[in-house]
Amino acid sequence: AQSVTQPDIHITVSEGASLELRCNYSYGATPYLFWYVQSPGQGLQLLLKYFSGDTLVQGIKGFEAEFKRSQSSFNLRKPSVHWSDAAEYFCAVYGQNFVFGPGTRLSVLP
Amino acid sequence: DGGITQSPKYLFRKEGQNVTLSCEQNLNHDAMYWYRQDPGQGLRLIYYSQIVNDFQKGDIAEGYSVSREKKESFPLTVTSAQTNPTAFYLCASRIGGNSYEQYFGPGTRLTVT
Repeated sequence: AQSVTQPDIHITVSEGASLELRCNYSYGATPYLFWYVQSPGQGLQLLLKYFSGDTLVQGIKGFEAEFKRSQSSFNLRKPSVHWSDAAEYFCAVYGQNFVFGPGTRLSVLP
Repeated sequence: DGGITQSPKYLFRKEGQNVTLSCEQNLNHDAMYWYRQDPGQGLRLIYYSQIVNDFQKGDIAEGYSVSREKKESFPLTVTSAQTNPTAFYLCASRIGGNSYEQYFGPGTRLTVT
């Protein structure tokens, strides 16, 4: 069975600081991997995806993620956080179907 | 503009009443999905449809029903059999085939009292 864990429920960073959100998955093969962002009361927006090839993928809004097969991880990073990045972030996998992690809420201090 | 619309944004119902949530897309996507979102639990799949006139149960289908009579539309009915229907409901679509990116609507918040 597929599963996704996001170990951090809530992260607070200062504006301008770097960010890393963790995501671990469980699946028998290499799944398709996604990161989505959700502002309060809104739908989800796709930040980036990994299907195959280069394990470092670039997305929108300056985000990137690295797929590490040996660690079953797909961590999201941003070198310098902006106040507008405050939101909830979801990691998702597609193997047999879509499975989402519980989300990490990001707060940004001015 | 192409996209997914969900209406209404907020919906209130009395316990024991069925309620239907609308989801429409003009992206010409084959596949459509319904998710339920509760605080701290991420998204859970209710139903999905890969083509018109066909749909499959997701992980939490009990108490819900869907139809897919048109490619653009995938309404979700929350029946009185759903024991805890208050939640945020999200509709999504994807092109289909080997394209796995989902696009989401803005969601409907359902409150049942």
